[in-house]
Amino acid sequence: KAGVTQTPRYLIKTRGQQVTLSCSPISGHRSVSWYQQTPGQGLQFLFEYFSETQRNKGNFPGRFSGRQFSNSRSEMNVSTLELGDSALYLCASAQSPSYEQYFGPGTRLTVT
Amino acid sequence: KQEVTQIPAALSVPEGENLVLNCSFTDSAIYNLQWFRQDPGKGLTSLLLIQSSQREQTSGRLNASLDKSSGRSTLYIAASQPGDSATYLCAVRSGNTPLVFGKGTRLSVIA
Repeated sequence: KAGVTQTPRYLIKTRGQQVTLSCSPISGHRSVSWYQQTPGQGLQFLFEYFSETQRNKGNFPGRFSGRQFSNSRSEMNVSTLELGDSALYLCASAQSPSYEQYFGPGTRLTVT
Repeated sequence: KQEVTQIPAALSVPEGENLVLNCSFTDSAIYNLQWFRQDPGKGLTSLLLIQSSQREQTSGRLNASLDKSSGRSTLYIAASQPGDSATYLCAVRSGNTPLVFGKGTRLSVIA
């Protein structure tokens, strides 16, 4: 069974631009969560989706948004990028939110 | 608000040693607890999931225990190897809230 895939794996953007990251969950999984990881803050929760509905949202500004499609794939968008948005963005999938979480390899975003 | 603490932040041991990593959480009303491993620049690999009704889980050389009443979990690694070097994270889920992570323990196993 294929694992969680995230695209792109690496991204370099300029301040003020916007970016869209994609996450394809393990087949059969309907729950997708997103996290931001930085050396200083550790893992911080962004969003959690289950069957196309946002169940939880972390404490991030409105520039961060996400959605989940009917095939369970998820995207997150960051508009008006800031230098502080540089991070590893991780996606996790599960059969349902309270089940075992499986993480993808992450997308490394660098904002210059 | 759930808070998860992992002590120590870093640990260095010689190969072959048995070791224990600690995780504590402030709210004992948890649904489950999950241990992960992360190699530098990579995603998280799930090691063990313990449901709130369980006391321990084992996978190979790894054994995780859970004491809900005291808000603690331990990850025991037997006969450590250099390939075990990584950051180990524990995460707790309570009800409908998302996973709350500790900051991890960075383990170095010296050959």
